[in-house]
Amino acid sequence: QKEVEQDPGPLSVPEGAIVSLNCTYSNSAFQYFMWYRQYSRKGPELLMYTYSSGNKEDGRFTAQVDKSSKYISLFIRDSQPSDSATYLCAMSPSREKLTFGTGTRLTIIP
Amino acid sequence: EPEVTQTPSHQVTQMGQEVILRCVPISNHLYFYWYRQILGQKVEFLVSFYNNEISEKSEIFDDQFSVERPDGSNFTLKIRSTKLEDSAMYFCASSSQPGANVLTFGAGSRLTVL
Repeated sequence: QKEVEQDPGPLSVPEGAIVSLNCTYSNSAFQYFMWYRQYSRKGPELLMYTYSSGNKEDGRFTAQVDKSSKYISLFIRDSQPSDSATYLCAMSPSREKLTFGTGTRLTIIP
Repeated sequence: EPEVTQTPSHQVTQMGQEVILRCVPISNHLYFYWYRQILGQKVEFLVSFYNNEISEKSEIFDDQFSVERPDGSNFTLKIRSTKLEDSAMYFCASSSQPGANVLTFGAGSRLTVL
């Protein structure tokens, strides 16, 4: 089993829709969970950070972590064409070395 | 907004040659990292660096690789005797405190080994 699994997509949704992105993981030592956004020809940009289980909201973005199920989610409300990018989940046991998912390529259709 | 700068943006080299990828981290940052992403695969941790020494490295980061902070501004990744499978995008990242939640990544250097 891969340490972090993420559906690569691609995922296309109409503008204004709610987007749900997910990752599962196998390493129970992971404590820090992050979502990065990566535009073409750019480096990853941190979107959301969560420690341990729970929800975190920032504007149109909500991150959820369920450690009992080893499952994390990112929701994007009122999606915009500018949200079109690759979304990477990442996690770490120690706040240092990150383990990434493969990324989900998202396209928001105007 | 401060950013991490990487050069070159793209380098093509022959197998067996040495390459140096350069990074200028954000000026007040103390923790430095290299990650790589082979085309179509996930971003992978290579090495973290603090106080002029490696603090953690992955199994990928073998004797072929080395990192250095030769002066107060640059952070370099050297790959000796490059192999075809070293072809990848290499990302430098930095942070002002330890912790993956505060990393700022550069735009990456694409290395193509022929």
